[in-house]
Formats: sequence, C-alpha cells, structure tokens
Amino acid sequence: NAGVMQNPRHLVRRRGQEARLRCSPMKGHSHVYWYRQLPEEGLKFMVYLQKENIIDESGMPKERFSAEFPKEGPSILRIQQVVRGDSAAYFCASSPVSGSDTQYFGPGTRLTVL
Amino acid sequence: SQQGEEDPQALSIQEGENATMNCSYKTSINNLQWYRQNSGRGLVHLILIRSNEREKHSGRLRVTLDTSKKSSSLLITASRAADTASYFCATDSLIQGAQKLVFGQGTRLTINP
Repeated sequence: NAGVMQNPRHLVRRRGQEARLRCSPMKGHSHVYWYRQLPEEGLKFMVYLQKENIIDESGMPKERFSAEFPKEGPSILRIQQVVRGDSAAYFCASSPVSGSDTQYFGPGTRLTVL
Repeated sequence: SQQGEEDPQALSIQEGENATMNCSYKTSINNLQWYRQNSGRGLVHLILIRSNEREKHSGRLRVTLDTSKKSSSLLITASRAADTASYFCATDSLIQGAQKLVFGQGTRLTINP
C-alpha cells in the first residue's frame, strides 16, 4: 500500500506564474488535508477536503489560492500569481473513510518563487 | 489561538541519553499526536494519545498527557544518532474542528555521537 504521494517534490516558479501541487492520498483514504510549512516553523493548516467537497478552508488565503479533490484523480492545490512569500513546503495528508484520527503525510512539495 | 507550543526549541544531547520534549496547548482536545520530521523531509507519525489517556508507550517512546495542565511530554529513551530530527506535537481541537491538526513550532533534537 503506497503512502501519500505528492508531486512535484520541488517546484520553482517566477513571480506571477501559477503553481499546481498534486496529492494522491493513500489507497482507501477519502479525506485530504493541505498544510504549509515556512522555514523553521511548524505546519499550518490550509484546507480539508473530501471527494468533490471542500469541508474546511479556514486556513486558505482568500485570494490566489484554491484547492480541489475531484471524484477521479489527485487533489490539487493551485496558487495563482505566486509571490516570494508563497515559498514554502506544502504538505498533503490523508486519512481513511472510517475516520482514523491519524493523518498520514506525504513527502511535501517545496515551492521556491524567484 | 496557537496550540501545541513545544519546548525547548532546540535540544542537543549525547547518544544514549534520554531526550524529553514538552508541548503545551490552549483549548480542549480530542487527542494529541507527536510527529517527527527529518531535515527537508515529510512528517512521520510517532504516536497518538487520546484525551482520556494519561500515558502511552511505543518502543523507546513514552508520551504523557496532562489535560488539567494542557500539556504533553515526549520521552525518547536511549537516544541514537538516527533520532536527530525535529519533533512536533499536534492537537486535534474540539473547538476549531475535529479534522484539523494544529502544530507547534517544533523541537529540533540533535543527538551527538
């Protein structure tokens, strides 16, 4: 059973470009969470999704950021018109349908905005 | 409000010694979890302790939870060089929503050979 997969692992974008980060949850998991980690800090919650639904997006910036988890395919975190302050590691986690408290984390995507 | 503040922020000990890290939080919780993060890598789940539990063991790890003080500790016994990593506590807050983990800033643990 493969773990949570994220790609790309590293992403470099210039200011103003779009960044698309992908997350494939563990098999059998239908709950996906996105977190952001700035250097030397802990993770900060961004958004919680179930298939085709955004359940809690209280940690998402109101502008330029969006997330989706379609019926088929990976969850996508999209950042439009990136700025230098978006440079961070973005982690995805998943948990199973049955409601395990444990969230299993992917390896992260490290976004660098030049 | 921020949950899960760890202390110390950094800890350096000799291999074989025990390492203790503490975590404090502010609101009621369902459970508290500890994760490890090696430099530049993802998070590895270590242990989960529920709000009605006081102590839990897993191998060389021992976690305690004191809900009256809103604090938890992680003890790593007989430390090894491979234990060098950052350790984070995360709470699953009753107030802020059951499915959202709130992380502290982490403790950077260095085990010296």
